[in-house]
Amino acid sequence: KNEVEQSPQNLTAQEGEFITINCSYSVGISALHWLQQHPGGGIVSLFMLSSGKKKHGRLIATINIQEKHSSLHITASHPRDSAVYICAVKQGTSGSRLTFGEGTQLTVNP
Amino acid sequence: KAGVTQTPRYLIKTRGQQVTLSCSPISGHRSVSWYQQTPGQGLQFLFEYFSETQRNKGNFPGRFSGRQFSNSRSEMNVSTLELGDSALYLCASSPGIWLNTEAFFGQGTRLTVV
Repeated sequence: KNEVEQSPQNLTAQEGEFITINCSYSVGISALHWLQQHPGGGIVSLFMLSSGKKKHGRLIATINIQEKHSSLHITASHPRDSAVYICAVKQGTSGSRLTFGEGTQLTVNP
Repeated sequence: KAGVTQTPRYLIKTRGQQVTLSCSPISGHRSVSWYQQTPGQGLQFLFEYFSETQRNKGNFPGRFSGRQFSNSRSEMNVSTLELGDSALYLCASSPGIWLNTEAFFGQGTRLTVV
């Protein structure tokens, strides 16, 4: 069993739909990251969470430390949101090392 | 402020050769981590450097090595390349090793071994 698991692996939505991507982890963490990767490879940081909820534009990320679960929500999805979304955790004793989920491939159709 | 810069962006090498990849972190960042991304294994941690010292190492063979210079720039080297080393190699920089900060990644170096 992977230390970080994401669901779903693939997600296809119509423009305007509300999207949720889930991340569960099995280790103690000091922070959880949501990352976005477009074709071509570069990774962009969307959020870093250690508790609660953060919002940036149409993106919302939440984390429940007790349940070891985080969600990334995209409201009013747009084709430009099509990308791979990756959940990564930083364990408190492992320096800056990140452990990654397998990623969720999101495709938003116009 | 310039982002994390990785060079080269693309590289084609032959089995048995060696390769050196470079990562320049964001100015003021002292920690550099390296990751390998393949379709089969996803993103995996290679190693982390802070203040010119390797602080953390992932589960990769000794053919994978790295170093960090006094200006925080880092290089990773892969010797005796194998076909399975074909991957996207990403580096990430951070101000410090224990801080909870946003992750800053470079664009990656795509290595193809033929």
